Amino acid sequence: GGIITQTPKFLIGQEGQKLTLKCQQNFNHDTMYWYRQDSGKGLRLIYYSITENDLQKGDLSEGYDASREKKSSFSLTVTSAQKNEMAVFLCASSIGWGDNYAEQFFGPGTRLTVL
Amino acid sequence: QQKVQQSPESLIVPEGAMTSLNCTFSDSASQYFAWYRQHSGKAPKALMSIFSNGEKEEGRFTIHLNKASLHFSLHIRDSQPSDSALYLCAVAASNTNKVVFGTGTRLQVLP
Repeated sequence: GGIITQTPKFLIGQEGQKLTLKCQQNFNHDTMYWYRQDSGKGLRLIYYSITENDLQKGDLSEGYDASREKKSSFSLTVTSAQKNEMAVFLCASSIGWGDNYAEQFFGPGTRLTVL
Repeated sequence: QQKVQQSPESLIVPEGAMTSLNCTFSDSASQYFAWYRQHSGKAPKALMSIFSNGEKEEGRFTIHLNKASLHFSLHIRDSQPSDSALYLCAVAASNTNKVVFGTGTRLQVLP
């Protein structure tokens, strides 16, 4: 089995600040994802990457940047944090495509609070 | 842009009941359909997935897909208090790894 780690677990920032969230996976998966989850709601796709150095925008990419410099890591940057923004950012990975290949494995999340 | 909606938004059922959760999608080219479960404070975890029209059963869980109706569902037989969680449906088109999740259904099973 493998594991996905996200750092930090909790992130508190100031309005307008640039904040970076990190994700590492040891599944050797090709595809990685960043989702945002507002309290008790569904997941909204921010960015995904199908291989090293690839970036694909999701439906919520505005206000965010991402970077996939290594196959095992995927980072997300909040370019200018918004006041009262509170959400959990979830990182996920999957092996690729096809039956049983599309299953996503999730990290524990980074909880963001903006003061 | 794929739209994925779930209903109902929340559901309370007694232990032992049959529970049905619904998911509709907008892209008729979609080919990956899955249900994930997220217990409070935990990460989402895949329950089961289906790629073609019809039904698939795993234990107490059955997924039913009707592509023509742009609809798939999850049925839980003999619901247990441990099934209480947020249920998320997920959809992706065949030519992309872009997986879009639904709005979520919060299920509470009362003992």
